[in-house]
Amino acid sequence: NAGVTQTPKFQVLKTGQSMTLQCAQDMNHNSMYWYRQDPGMGLRLIYYSASEGTTDKGEVPNGYNVSRLNKREFSLRLESAAPSQTSVYFCASSASGFGPLSQETQYFGPGTRLLVL
Amino acid sequence: DAKTTQPNSMESNEEEPVHLPCNHSTISGTDYIHWYRQLPSQGPEYVIHGLTSNVNNRMASLAIAEDRKSSTLILHRATLRDAAVYYCILRDRAGANNLFFGTGTRLTVIP
Repeated sequence: NAGVTQTPKFQVLKTGQSMTLQCAQDMNHNSMYWYRQDPGMGLRLIYYSASEGTTDKGEVPNGYNVSRLNKREFSLRLESAAPSQTSVYFCASSASGFGPLSQETQYFGPGTRLLVL
Repeated sequence: DAKTTQPNSMESNEEEPVHLPCNHSTISGTDYIHWYRQLPSQGPEYVIHGLTSNVNNRMASLAIAEDRKSSTLILHRATLRDAAVYYCILRDRAGANNLFFGTGTRLTVIP
């Protein structure tokens, strides 16, 4: 049981390049999330998917797109990378649908470190 | 979600108890108090959560003030592996899907 996995671990991009960050979970969770963490700061939500087939914007969605490929996988795409998108990106998942969200636990992946030059 | 206030940093000696405070004076009656921690170069991990009563699990204890305006995460015997940033987060019944992370408390454990 791997939990939440993310690929790649590290990536360097030039300004304007595109890339997709991959995330998969093996816990049969309904909800998945993408966060970013800038140095010295807490995590901020980019997009989330409450269930397969749905996606919604979070706090900082500009410059990103997401795809909920199936129940297991949730990808984050940068169409034209900018230096301001240099950050650590975390994917998370939660069960959802089994009680109020106020009691839910989110499970996080190890992160992808992205540097945009 | 209501706001929380935590000290930026704390230190503890190894094998001693640690009390990490969190103030949440605007908490509503249905907000749950969650704690997560982030070890160096890792994603956050769940520690504990509660509503009104004190809670215990294998990782820590959560002490909630009677008026619920503050709470304390208690690590009973700090180890070097407990060095991390600890986040206190409130979640309301309306259930926003995301967790609102602040800057947390950076715990340093001294050998």
